[in-house]
Amino acid sequence: GENVEQHPSTLSVQEGDSAVIKCTYSDSASNYFPWYKQELGKGPQLIIDIRSNVGEKKDQRIAVTLNKTAKHFSLHITETQPEDSAVYFCAASLYSGGYQKVTFGTGTKLQVIP
Amino acid sequence: DSGVTQTPKHLITATGQRVTLRCSPRSGDLSVYWYQQSLDQGLQFLIQYYNGEERAKGNILERFSAQQFPDLHSELNLSSLELGDSALYFCASSSGTVAIGEQFFGPGTRLTVL
Repeated sequence: GENVEQHPSTLSVQEGDSAVIKCTYSDSASNYFPWYKQELGKGPQLIIDIRSNVGEKKDQRIAVTLNKTAKHFSLHITETQPEDSAVYFCAASLYSGGYQKVTFGTGTKLQVIP
Repeated sequence: DSGVTQTPKHLITATGQRVTLRCSPRSGDLSVYWYQQSLDQGLQFLIQYYNGEERAKGNILERFSAQQFPDLHSELNLSSLELGDSALYFCASSSGTVAIGEQFFGPGTRLTVL
């Protein structure tokens, strides 16, 4: 089955700096890659996603890049703010056998230091 | 607010007991997913239902079972509870009518087994 690896597990940055989280996946059939943000005491919430026919997607301070050949994708957060502090999960998804199968990475705890 | 509701928010019980967690998906969503998140762990996929039928199973123990009812709400039953079952349990829903798309997560149920 699909295997998603996520690095680093923890990341501390100064406010205003950039943060990068990287994920790799194993199943070349995966074609949808969402990123979720989980704040303390809450459920994960989608912040950005990318489909396999796109190499890069940007939404204000957040961007995601996808390299299908290397089977890795990354989340970039620029001009980090304290409210960006949270756990971030990447995921790889594919539609197979009549259902959407989603495999999550192990999460990155991001701390933005004011 | 994702539109997904979960009850109860907290549950404290003893080893050997049985509990039921409840999830109501977003209005119109046909797919329901259950995940387990242990302390400092990622999201472990347990099981998925689509329009009342089981679609996929992940790392779900035999002591655990789930079902989705005609009104599309879902229940996760955990029996013969062990200390290691203490975790956050999340329910997520998606439309299920498109091949791939966002999952919307509920706020979770925190289960503590003493």
